[in-house]
Amino acid sequence: AQSVTQLGSHVSVSEGALVLLRCNYSSSVPPYLFWYVQYPNQGLQLLLKYTSAATLVKGINGFEAEFKKSETSFHLTKPSAHMSDAAEYFCAVALGGGSYIPTFGRGTSLIVHP
Amino acid sequence: DADVTQTPRNRITKTGKRIMLECSQTKGHDRMYWYRQDPGLGLRLIYYSFDVKDINKGEISDGYSVSRQAQAKFSLSLESAIPNQTALYFCATSDPGTGHEQFFGPGTRLTVL
Repeated sequence: AQSVTQLGSHVSVSEGALVLLRCNYSSSVPPYLFWYVQYPNQGLQLLLKYTSAATLVKGINGFEAEFKKSETSFHLTKPSAHMSDAAEYFCAVALGGGSYIPTFGRGTSLIVHP
Repeated sequence: DADVTQTPRNRITKTGKRIMLECSQTKGHDRMYWYRQDPGLGLRLIYYSFDVKDINKGEISDGYSVSRQAQAKFSLSLESAIPNQTALYFCATSDPGTGHEQFFGPGTRLTVL
């Protein structure tokens, strides 16, 4: 079985501040992990993914995430928020036993203040 | 041109009507999916298909049906729409060769009155 929990439905930061979006997963086997971003009135697009290679994964737009097996976490970070980062962010987990069909978290809305 | 397209982009209909949402892809992927998005609930899987002859129910398939007409086309139908099917619907594709990343269409906003 697989599940994803995103802590905080809304996260608010000031422009230039650190962005930290939290994701914890539950799986019985090594997972594939993904972060997707959804800008207003658009579909989801991949930010980054972990597929059992390096535990620190770098994605687009300056985002990165670290896979921590002991904490079952895959938190998303960005050192300095930009106004254009305001969007909905989704964490997802996929397992081989589940044919790699992803289970998505409920999403975190990132609000960036000037 | 977009790799995954959905038609229509917006649809308003009445309770009891039959609705079809269409999805086409040019990525050449065998795997296709239909999700619905509701505020605060994330994305939930309705149906998925791993090839033209393969159709599988997802988490919330009741009230929906699908048709995989070709590798590139996957349609979602609501046989008798009801108001709680008002949502944003996404089609997606994936391929094992790209690490199972999902490629999403732009979405269809469906309102059932």
